[in-house]
Amino acid sequence: GQQVMQIPQYQHVQEGEDFTTYCNSSTTLSNIQWYKQRPGGHPVFLIQLVKSGEVKKQKRLTFQFGEAKKNSSLHITATQTTDVGTYFCAGGDYKLSFGAGTTVTVRA
Amino acid sequence: GAVVSQHPSWVICKSGTSVKIECRSLDFQATTMFWYRQFPKQSLMLMATSNEGSKATYEQGVEKDKFLINHASLTLSTLTVTSAHPEDSSFYICSARDPRTGGITDTQYFGPGTRLTVL
Repeated sequence: GQQVMQIPQYQHVQEGEDFTTYCNSSTTLSNIQWYKQRPGGHPVFLIQLVKSGEVKKQKRLTFQFGEAKKNSSLHITATQTTDVGTYFCAGGDYKLSFGAGTTVTVRA
Repeated sequence: GAVVSQHPSWVICKSGTSVKIECRSLDFQATTMFWYRQFPKQSLMLMATSNEGSKATYEQGVEKDKFLINHASLTLSTLTVTSAHPEDSSFYICSARDPRTGGITDTQYFGPGTRLTVL
């Protein structure tokens, strides 16, 4: 079945710095979705990317979908303590296949 | 975004008992819901796809007789963990596809999860 790989597994960031998490699929994806899960919480939908090369921004978050629709990235600028959590990418036409997630911690 | 509720939020039960978890879409009709299991510090693992009015589709390795799924209406799916054992202790999360999102793949919205502890 479809596999979605995500790196890094952990990201420890200094407050104010930027970081990026990457997602790669073994097959072409029709779309990719990103979710954020706070500690003790449930995944919350952030965004969906559909088009090849698509770039979407949500304040300090920038999401990209690769030209081949096999990879995606989430870039966060000026990290804040509110960014703490695990970010998952997920791809699939009907059933979502989740990446392992990138768990972000922030040091003030 | 759409709202999905889950009940109970946590449950502790004795080994051998059965536990029912409800998943409801509150402001939309969901013909399809999904059940996931998440172990600590791990990703979400899809257990089954719940389709309104038909039998659930289980992922490989998931016992259908142990994890009974019923999708009786367009807003409710239930997962029953039968004869629960300590290894069934996990975070169970449901999601519902919102057909109003209109993307190639409908957006999935997640319930708050149910933390099951089997003693």
